[in-house]
Amino acid sequence: EVQLVESGGGLVQPGRSLRLSCAASGFTFDDYAMHWVRQAPGKGLEWVSGISWNSGSIGYADSVKGRFTISRDNAKNSLYLQMNSLRAEDTALYYCAKSLATDAPFFDYWGQGTLVTVSS
Amino acid sequence: EIVLTQSPGTLSLSPGERATLSCRASQSVSSSYLAWYQQKPGQAPRLLIYGASSRATGIPDRFSGSGSGTDFTLTISRLEPEDFAVYYCQQYGSSPRRTFGQGTKLEIK
Repeated sequence: EVQLVESGGGLVQPGRSLRLSCAASGFTFDDYAMHWVRQAPGKGLEWVSGISWNSGSIGYADSVKGRFTISRDNAKNSLYLQMNSLRAEDTALYYCAKSLATDAPFFDYWGQGTLVTVSS
Repeated sequence: EIVLTQSPGTLSLSPGERATLSCRASQSVSSSYLAWYQQKPGQAPRLLIYGASSRATGIPDRFSGSGSGTDFTLTISRLEPEDFAVYYCQQYGSSPRRTFGQGTKLEIK
């Protein structure tokens, strides 16, 4: 059974940093691209960042480019999101999501999310 | 950047009725790169349709997707009580961007 478990969320002051983690199991992690998608309270979905299976291709939404860094450790079956210079508008539930196929642009499994609240 | 606009914002129907949800793109989208998700309150999204018309694993055949170019449709042939949720379309455009529509809430009438 595929499982994605996010952690690392919490309350943080504007301008500070936070690192999210996603522990994956139930599939061959290094066969798939992985992504972070967020959802602000009561709002829709926003793709944040994605990383290919071998970390050779990485992308970011314009809203986080230059502040967030995605990475993965295939030996640990883990995905990460380093978030710096956090802003109030980064407040959201952050989901880890698995690509449907090796580098397919769709997400077939999602974690339950970790909540990030940016507030003073 | 391609913007996806979903309509209607809210759709009120009764169980057993047919639901038609629309997703319109600001520029042409390859059908291969259009998907639909369902999200229920307190749950993560669930992939329903990818490649505009292919059902994901385990998705009932009452869900179907169609369309091309800038206009895409998700159809639920006969609504079951568990189908009332929010639905999002998603496209993959110029790498690496993926964008979602703003969602359509399907509510019980």
